[in-house]
Amino acid sequence: SQKIEQNSEALNIQEGKTATLTCNYTNYSPAYLQWYRQDPGRGPVFLLLIRENEKEKRKERLKVTFDTTLKQSLFHITASQPADSATYLCALPVSGTYKYIFGTGTRLKVLA
Amino acid sequence: KAGVTQTPRYLIKTRGQQVTLSCSPISGHRSVSWYQQTPGQGLQFLFEYFSETQRNKGNFPGRFSGRQFSNSRSEMNVSTLELGDSALYLCASSFIPTTNTGELFFGEGSRLTVL
Repeated sequence: SQKIEQNSEALNIQEGKTATLTCNYTNYSPAYLQWYRQDPGRGPVFLLLIRENEKEKRKERLKVTFDTTLKQSLFHITASQPADSATYLCALPVSGTYKYIFGTGTRLKVLA
Repeated sequence: KAGVTQTPRYLIKTRGQQVTLSCSPISGHRSVSWYQQTPGQGLQFLFEYFSETQRNKGNFPGRFSGRQFSNSRSEMNVSTLELGDSALYLCASSFIPTTNTGELFFGEGSRLTVL
């Protein structure tokens, strides 16, 4: 069955460093992939979408890569700030449907 | 532009009761999806509606049902509540109705606790 894996362990990094989060998927060939940010007690907020024919996408301090051979997406936050502390989710559409499969998310904590 | 509004935000029920949750999508959005979020399982897809039609349903028992009204507002209902139904129920709306490439706009969720 289709499966998404994100590092369930929390990631702690120092302010100013680059945070790198991983999203791996199996039994799946998505046309695109999305990343969301979720703060405690809040709904997820869309950050970036990257399509299968795009290797890299950037938005301000965020960068996403998509390797369809490795079946992996990397999410980078450069010059991280304490305000970037949140849980980050990757999501993939299920082909032929209107539903998404979400990873369980990686909790990022940026230390001042 | 107002975001996705979910009501109620918090509710406590006992086993065997039923609950109805409401979602008002962003104006102009006609696709509404529901997800259940629990610490162990993450976000699990419940159903998706467009123009009052359920287009997809997730792997949940028949106790979980939903509907969409002509103004795109949506409700979901859970009957005969079980302890395991305790979760954050998230509603998301999307502008692009005929493809699934659009971003999802989530509400703040309805936190259900079943005692």
